Parts: sequence; structure tokens; C-alpha cells
Amino acid sequence: GAVVSQHPSRVICKSGTSVKIECRSLDFQATTMFWYRQFPKKSLMLMATSNEGSKATYEQGVEKDKFLINHASLTLSTLTVTSAHPEDSSFYICSARDRSGRAHNEQFFGPGTRLTVL
Amino acid sequence: KQEVTQIPAALSVPEGENLVLNCSFTDSAIYNLQWFRQDPGKGLTSLLLIQSSQREQTSGRLNASLDKSSGRSTLYIAASQPGDSATYLCAVRDDKIIFGKGTRLHILP
Repeated sequence: GAVVSQHPSRVICKSGTSVKIECRSLDFQATTMFWYRQFPKKSLMLMATSNEGSKATYEQGVEKDKFLINHASLTLSTLTVTSAHPEDSSFYICSARDRSGRAHNEQFFGPGTRLTVL
Repeated sequence: KQEVTQIPAALSVPEGENLVLNCSFTDSAIYNLQWFRQDPGKGLTSLLLIQSSQREQTSGRLNASLDKSSGRSTLYIAASQPGDSATYLCAVRDDKIIFGKGTRLHILP
């Protein structure tokens, strides 16, 4: 089956630093990847849609200069949280859509990255 | 704007009972609906995916139905077990995937 990985699974950083999270589709190509954020006991909220070779599309209220997204290849998207602050502490999950059309363009989800900003 | 609502927000039932989780959505123009399981601090596990042309999907003790015209889906869990305790998320896809807030399920041993 389709597998999406995320790295790291957990990261703790100091306030003001930048953190990069990677999302990889391991056995399929994904022209589109999605980044979600989940605060404790809340639902997942879509942050942005990442398209290979073009700029990401951000949801309303998400700062594009703070959450930098790069989708440089068909199997890798990165989310960089710049100048992280404690309020950015959250669970970040990515998903990837199989470009081949199999599984009716189903999205496959990564295992998530727990970010804690001290 | 698509909105997804899940009822109840939390549910506790004794082991062995059958139970139903409900999901409703406001815009029936969806490609598919998906049920996920999320354990505390973990990622999502896809349980069942129902295409817009389908009415139900089954996997083991799980059965999910979809009534697109009324904007409703149910997840039926038969013979519940303590290991079923988790948060169950419903998500619909139009051009994006929109998640409900989930139902926190606790199966009492």
C-alpha cells in the first residue's frame, strides 16, 4: 500500500529557531501534498496545499512567511516553521495524493510530527 | 463552505456492545468520505473510504455507510473491544479534505 513518511517524528526546539519537517511519499509519486496542524483535542486543520514545482496555496489565516513550504520533487515536501514560538507547538501531519490515479486519488497520511517549542 | 460535524463528541460503552458514530456534512458535492482512527499523540489510521458513488464499505467489525443526499455517514462498530478506544475522525473530500472534530470513544473493560 501507499506509504507516507515524516521526519522527524518529534522535535523540541527553542523559541526563535527554525524547524524543518519532511514529508515523503515512499512508493508513489505525489504532485500534491497537504500540510495539516492539530492542536490538542482539536480537529486537523488544513494549513496549505503543496504543489510540485509551484508555490504552495495557503489557507486563510496561515502565514506563508512563517510556514515555508517547498515541494521540490514528486516525492518530497518540506514544511519549515520559521522563528518558532511556543504557540506553534502542535502536531503537524502531511498527506500526499497519488498522481497515478489509483485508489481514486486517495490521500495517504504521514504519521505526524510533534513540535514542541520551549 | 463545507462543514463536518461529528456526534457524539465523546462516548463510553461497555465492552461487547455494538455502537454507531455519526458524521454529517453540509455540502453533498463530495468525492469521497473517509473514517480514520487516531490514538493519543499518534497519526491517522485510515479505516474505511467510501467513494461518492458507493453507499457503504465494510472491514471486519467496521461498517461505514454514506447517504450523500442527506449529508450523513455512520460508522458502525460491532462487538466493541477495549482496543477500539481511540478518537474516530470523519473527513470529506471535495477539492480539499475537511475533518470533523472527532468522537472520543472509550470502551469499558
